[in-house]
Amino acid sequence: KNQVEQSPQSLIILEGKNCTLQCNYTVSPFSNLRWYKQDTGRGPVSLTIMTFSENTKSNGRYTATLDADTKQSSLHITASQLSDSASYICVVRGGGSQGNLIFGKGTKLSVKP
Amino acid sequence: NAGVTQTPKFQVLKTGQSMTLQCAQDMNHEYMSWYRQDPGMGLRLIHYSVGAGITDQGEVPNGYNVSRSTTEDFPLRLLSAAPSQTSVYFCASSLAGGLNTQYFGPGTRLTVL
Repeated sequence: KNQVEQSPQSLIILEGKNCTLQCNYTVSPFSNLRWYKQDTGRGPVSLTIMTFSENTKSNGRYTATLDADTKQSSLHITASQLSDSASYICVVRGGGSQGNLIFGKGTKLSVKP
Repeated sequence: NAGVTQTPKFQVLKTGQSMTLQCAQDMNHEYMSWYRQDPGMGLRLIHYSVGAGITDQGEVPNGYNVSRSTTEDFPLRLLSAAPSQTSVYFCASSLAGGLNTQYFGPGTRLTVL
């Protein structure tokens, strides 16, 4: 069964610290992997999209990595800010039609002053 | 550009009532989708459309209808609301193609009593 598992479920860090969120997937065939940020009460916003051939992609203080062999991805947040408090969702697109996006349950990150 | 807009933002229905959630985008995107987001679960696809006049079912289509008469609009109809349809509903749009960014609306929070 196609699945996307994220860990941890929730995380609390102090402002200025770094953190890494994990995503493991079993989706096959694989097309691309996306990370979204979802602020409370808002819709998800795309951070990165990576294909099979990309190992790393950055968007400001956010860096996503992908290991397609082990089917693992991580999102690293550098020098966290209070505004980074949000849920981070890993999404894997399988091969095929538009309907084949598999969403993880998300990691809820809280950044404390 | 307003991006993806959704109305209403909040709605309370009684069991058995019907209603339409509105979604519109001004980016000339071919693809539009409806998702529901429930606590502890990833976003789940309800229905999607790859262009005007073309719609298809997603993972959880029962109890919902859609139509796509224009590129801009993609309304979601609840035929006879049930408490199990209490959720947050998100509309999303993107250009055609597997690597394009998906843009989400702000969501509609629906409660069915």
